[in-house]
Amino acid sequence: DAGVIQSPRHEVTEMGQEVTLRCKLISGHNSLFWYRQTMMRGLELLIYFNNNVPIDDSGMPEDRFSAKMPNASFSTLKIQPSEPRDSAVYFCASSLHTGTHNVLTFGAGSRLTVL
Amino acid sequence: GQQLNQSPQSMFIQEGEDVSMNCTSSSIFNTWLWYKQDPGEGPVLLIALYKAGELTSNGRLTAQFGITRKDSFLNISASIPSDVGIYFCAGLSPQGGSEKLVFGKGTKLTVNP
Repeated sequence: DAGVIQSPRHEVTEMGQEVTLRCKLISGHNSLFWYRQTMMRGLELLIYFNNNVPIDDSGMPEDRFSAKMPNASFSTLKIQPSEPRDSAVYFCASSLHTGTHNVLTFGAGSRLTVL
Repeated sequence: GQQLNQSPQSMFIQEGEDVSMNCTSSSIFNTWLWYKQDPGEGPVLLIALYKAGELTSNGRLTAQFGITRKDSFLNISASIPSDVGIYFCAGLSPQGGSEKLVFGKGTKLTVNP
């Protein structure tokens, strides 16, 4: 298995532009998590899905952020419009939720810079 | 919300030395995980702990799930240069079926050859 695949690895954009980050889950995994990592705040959970359904989006900063899972193996995180304070590394992680064990496998991350 | 206090924030050691880092919380967790993150990569799972008191090893790494379920430690023996990176603890709460993994702020390890 190729693991969790994220794209793009790096993106530089200007304030006000739309940003779309993509994630492909590990085959067979049923839970999907989006995290944001910054020096100041560390790893923050933005949203997670279980069986394609958003379960908790309380970590999404504001309405400019949205996430979707159009199918069981793919997810997008969209920021519109982007702002400089959105600059961070965004990680996608997937897991096979068994009810008792829930070990996340992370992608390599998408480094976003908003100028 | 739940928080994990991870210490130390950073460590500078000589190759061959042993390392110890820990995480504490005021909340109870039923799973503790330890991850390592290399520069430019995502965190990679090192050890998973599922029972209070559990002691688990993975090569030179040893981790324990505290008896109170509010803490965990990770030890690295005989450190080598490739141990450099940021180590994160993460706890999974049993409350309300939450799937949220709460992460510590990380311990940045530097190993001098």
